[in-house]
Amino acid sequence: QKEVEQNSGPLSVPEGAIASLNCTYSDRGSQSFFWYRQYSGKSPELIMFIYSNGDKEDGRFTAQLNKASQYVSLLIRDSQPSDSATYLCAVAGTASKLTFGTGTRLQVTL
Amino acid sequence: ETGVTQTPRHLVMGMTNKKSLKCEQHLGHNAMYWYKQSAKKPLELMFVYNFKEQTENNSVPSRFSPECPNSSHLFLHLHTLQPEDSALYLCASSFQTSSYEQYFGPGTRLTVT
Repeated sequence: QKEVEQNSGPLSVPEGAIASLNCTYSDRGSQSFFWYRQYSGKSPELIMFIYSNGDKEDGRFTAQLNKASQYVSLLIRDSQPSDSATYLCAVAGTASKLTFGTGTRLQVTL
Repeated sequence: ETGVTQTPRHLVMGMTNKKSLKCEQHLGHNAMYWYKQSAKKPLELMFVYNFKEQTENNSVPSRFSPECPNSSHLFLHLHTLQPEDSALYLCASSFQTSSYEQYFGPGTRLTVT
């Protein structure tokens, strides 16, 4: 079982819709969860982090965490073509290091 | 300059060459990291430095040799690489290794011929 799992996509959503990106993790002791956005040919950019169960909102982005289900998600409201990128889920586990998923490629269509 | 910078941005080297990658962070952080990103694979952590001391070597072959002279600078010395070492090499920094908000540099695209 992979430590951090994401659907590779592509996830295609029309402009203005809500994009929902999902991530599951295997280490039950994980404490911190991060979402990075990576445009093609660029480096990852931190866009959200969440430490507690529930929702955390920042502008058009909402991170959701459910530790019991070992599940973290990222919602992007009013999706824009500029949101088209690969979204990396990263989890800080008991080994005190970040483990990354392979990423989900999001395509926002006009 | 702000954030995390890396040079060179692109590097092509033969298997017998020796080259170095450089990373500099201007964020006042104390921890620095080297990652390798290959196509279709998750980011792989290579090395971690905290306050200039190496705290993690993630079973990286000895043909990769890191150096951290101070908390702001990190190098990755390369020698006798293999074609499968071709990848994007990313440097990142964070306030400390216990604070997981890591900020990445633009990366060096390495091609080994």
